[in-house]
Amino acid sequence: GAGVSQSPSNKVTEKGKDVELRCDPISGHTALYWYRQSLGQGLEFLIYFQGNSAPDKSGLPSDRFSAERTGGSVSTLTIQRTQQEDSAVYLCASSLSSGGGPYEQYFGPGTRLTVT
Amino acid sequence: AQSVTQLGSHVSVSEGALVLLRCNYSSSVPPYLFWYVQYPNQGLQLLLKYTTGATLVKGINGFEAEFKKSETSFHLTKPSAHMSDAAEYFCAVREGTDCKLTFGTGTRLQVTL
Repeated sequence: GAGVSQSPSNKVTEKGKDVELRCDPISGHTALYWYRQSLGQGLEFLIYFQGNSAPDKSGLPSDRFSAERTGGSVSTLTIQRTQQEDSAVYLCASSLSSGGGPYEQYFGPGTRLTVT
Repeated sequence: AQSVTQLGSHVSVSEGALVLLRCNYSSSVPPYLFWYVQYPNQGLQLLLKYTTGATLVKGINGFEAEFKKSETSFHLTKPSAHMSDAAEYFCAVREGTDCKLTFGTGTRLQVTL
């Protein structure tokens, strides 16, 4: 079946511009996660959504970062006024659930963001 | 707070040799432990996971890992390396109902002829 998909695969933007990154989770997965992979910081958790519950935003590095999930499916991660330190690979993952069990997170291929 | 330490950012082995990638974790509650592999320009793929029960866990591609509570370790092994095993490997921990994964810094495995 189809895995987690992300778009675009690569994004180059100028400093100060806003960007939107999209994630399509596996159908039927109720939990969705965003992580960031950068040379300096490794793999970091950003935010996760579980069903209709309020998202856990504890990993967002600044208020320039936001995310939403529409209809319990597709998610968009928005970075406003991008900075060079935002350059990284943004990974999305989804799982069947999130609470109580060790549900496997399935990762997408990532979006490579370069801020010039 | 949970954390993961992977010893050795780069490991090089000869084809056919034993692969040993080290992972130690810190967790205040019994953890769930994972190993992921990342091939160039790809996302993360789960190799194996430890939840409860048997402490020796077998995964895909001939990899296995053993959960040792007394040593807070979850080292990844494979008896005989293949060229196709060259990739970056990440150990991750998840505590109880905390849904996020905390990753180690990764170990890049190089396999030489």
